[in-house]
Amino acid sequence: NAGVTQTPKFQVLKTGQSMTLQCAQDMNHNSMYWYRQDPGMGLRLIYYSASEGTTDKGEVPNGYNVSRLNKREFSLRLESAAPSQTSVYFCASKSRGTGFTYEQYFGPGTRLTVT
Amino acid sequence: AQSVTQPDIHITVSEGASLELRCNYSYGATPYLFWYVQSPGQGLQLLLKYFSGDTLVQGIKGFEAEFKRSQSSFNLRKPSVHWSDAAEYFCAVVPAKTSYDKVIFGPGTSLSVIP
Repeated sequence: NAGVTQTPKFQVLKTGQSMTLQCAQDMNHNSMYWYRQDPGMGLRLIYYSASEGTTDKGEVPNGYNVSRLNKREFSLRLESAAPSQTSVYFCASKSRGTGFTYEQYFGPGTRLTVT
Repeated sequence: AQSVTQPDIHITVSEGASLELRCNYSYGATPYLFWYVQSPGQGLQLLLKYFSGDTLVQGIKGFEAEFKRSQSSFNLRKPSVHWSDAAEYFCAVVPAKTSYDKVIFGPGTSLSVIP
């Protein structure tokens, strides 16, 4: 049981390049999330997916797109990277339904630098 | 505006001293409340949570938190801090009367422990 996995762990991009961050969970959770973490800002929600086939914007969605590929996988895409997107990105998942506890489980993070 | 605040950006305590980290929220109805801890270079781990009932909740690693409705606060405490408690601490909220999928984090408090 690996929990929440993220790839890659580190990435350096040039301004204007695109890339996709991958996230997968093996806990049969319905809800998945993408956050970015910046010093002094805490975690800010980029997008989330309450269930397979649905996605919703969070606090800072501009410059990002997401795909909920199936129940296990939720990817985050930067179409044209900008230096302001330099950050640590965390994926998380949570169970949903009767008796759910609302606890989120986090991946280890992806450290992205845009030059 | 709805928000989660953690007034202390950074706190330093001596090992063995007591600790209190503050968290305030500004939502109309009592939300669901969480404290997470992030060790350096790691993802986030749940310390404890409050949904309803007893306003003093116990968590892992000897932490506890008290919900005070009148003050819209959910402060985290530990009677005696260990050097291994040095980490970043985040308060998080799931707003009530929502779909319960959106989780909002505070900006975090960085804890340093003096041996």
